[in-house]
Amino acid sequence: GAGVSQSPSNKVTEKGKDVELRCDPISGHTALYWYRQSLGQGLEFLIYFQGNSAPDKSGLPSDRFSAERTGGSVSTLTIQRTQQEDSAVYLCASSLAKASGGAHRSDIQYFGAGTRLSVL
Amino acid sequence: DQQVKQNSPSLSVQEGRISILNCDYTNSMFDYFLWYKKYPAEGPTFLISISSIKDKNEDGRFTVFLNKSAKHLSLHIVPSQPGDSAVYFCAAKGGGSNYKLTFGKGTLLTVNP
Repeated sequence: GAGVSQSPSNKVTEKGKDVELRCDPISGHTALYWYRQSLGQGLEFLIYFQGNSAPDKSGLPSDRFSAERTGGSVSTLTIQRTQQEDSAVYLCASSLAKASGGAHRSDIQYFGAGTRLSVL
Repeated sequence: DQQVKQNSPSLSVQEGRISILNCDYTNSMFDYFLWYKKYPAEGPTFLISISSIKDKNEDGRFTVFLNKSAKHLSLHIVPSQPGDSAVYFCAAKGGGSNYKLTFGKGTLLTVNP
């Protein structure tokens, strides 16, 4: 079946412009996550959605970052007034069930290929 | 402050030999650990996981060992194959968050034919 789909795969923008990154999770997955990976770093958690609600936005680096999810499916990550330090690969993941503690196969996060954002 | 550390940026092994990738963590509240594999231009792919109530989990050529007292886990790949060449990320969950994965920086494994 189809995996997590992200678009665009690459985005080059000028400093100060706004960008929108899209994530289409695996069908039926209720939980959706955004991460970013800066050069030479591990993945950094940004935000988590359960359905259309975002219980935890604490990972968003600044108020220039926002995200929404509609219809319990597609999510959009928006970065306003982009800065050069926003350059990174933005990864989206989804999981089948509501996140829970411990070890549950339904919690496994499946990742898309990411959007590589370059801010000039 | 990095809570999950992969201290070896790269590892090179011969085909057929064992690959051992290491991961250390500092947060004693982590209760679930995962390994992801990532090829260039692709997203991370789930490989294997282990709960903190276990010390070993095996899946085919892949085995993950957890040493809670040392806050250390390792991934063993036996035998290693050229197709295993990828970046391997260690990730952990828990410590007050049931959803957030905390990742290490990754180890690039190269398996030479």
